[in-house]
Amino acid sequence: GNSVTQMEGPVTLSEEAFLTINCTYTATGYPSLFWYVQYPGEGLQLLLKATKADDKGSNKGFEATYRKETTSFHLEKGSVQVSDSAVYFCALSDLRAGGSYIPTFGRGTSLIVHP
Amino acid sequence: NAGVTQTPKFQVLKTGQSMTLQCAQDMNHNSMYWYRQDPGMGLRLIYYSASEGTTDKGEVPNGYNVSRLNKREFSLRLESAAPSQTSVYFCASSEEGHFYNEQFFGPGTRLTVL
Repeated sequence: GNSVTQMEGPVTLSEEAFLTINCTYTATGYPSLFWYVQYPGEGLQLLLKATKADDKGSNKGFEATYRKETTSFHLEKGSVQVSDSAVYFCALSDLRAGGSYIPTFGRGTSLIVHP
Repeated sequence: NAGVTQTPKFQVLKTGQSMTLQCAQDMNHNSMYWYRQDPGMGLRLIYYSASEGTTDKGEVPNGYNVSRLNKREFSLRLESAAPSQTSVYFCASSEEGHFYNEQFFGPGTRLTVL
C-alpha cells in the first residue's frame, strides 16, 4: 500500500536559517505529491503540490521537487521567519480500489523558528 | 465563500454519551472526508464520501457512523463515546476524479471524552 515518511520533529531553527524537511513515499501508481501546513489551532491548508516527476511546486518561498528516482519530495525554504512556525504534512494522492483518489498523509513535522 | 465549516469547535462528553459533528462545504465539491488527528499519529481517515449518496470506511472507522445528507453536508456520529475518541476531528472536501486535486480542510472540532 501507499505510505509517506517524513522526518520527525520538532525542527528548531533561528530566523533566516535554511530549512529542509525530508519526505519520502511509497506508492503503487503515479501519485501527486503535496505539502500542507497547519498553523496552531487551525486546519490544514495546501502549501504546494507537484503532479508529475521533476515538477517543482513553490509557494511563499517554499519549494519541493518531485523526484521519482528517489521517491522523495523534500520541502525547502532559503530563509525562514518566525511566522513559518507550524506543522508541515507531506501527502500523496493515488488511485485506490473503487476509483477514488484518497490521500495518504505523513505524520507531520513541527517547525519552531526563534527570533 | 466560507469554504469548509465545522460545528461545534469544542465539545466535552462523558463516556457513553452520543453526539454528531457537523460539516458543510460551499465549494460544490463531490468528495468529503472525516479525519482524526492525534499527537504523533498524523491524520487518520475515518470515513469518506466520494459523491453524494455514497460513503466508505477509512483507516479507523470503528465507533463512528457517517451520513452524507446532501452534496454540501457530511456528518460524523459517535453513538457511545469512549475516552479513546478524544481527538481533534477535521472535515475536508475535494473535487472528485482527479489525482492532482488538493483537499480543503475545516478548522476542526476538539473533542474530549471523560
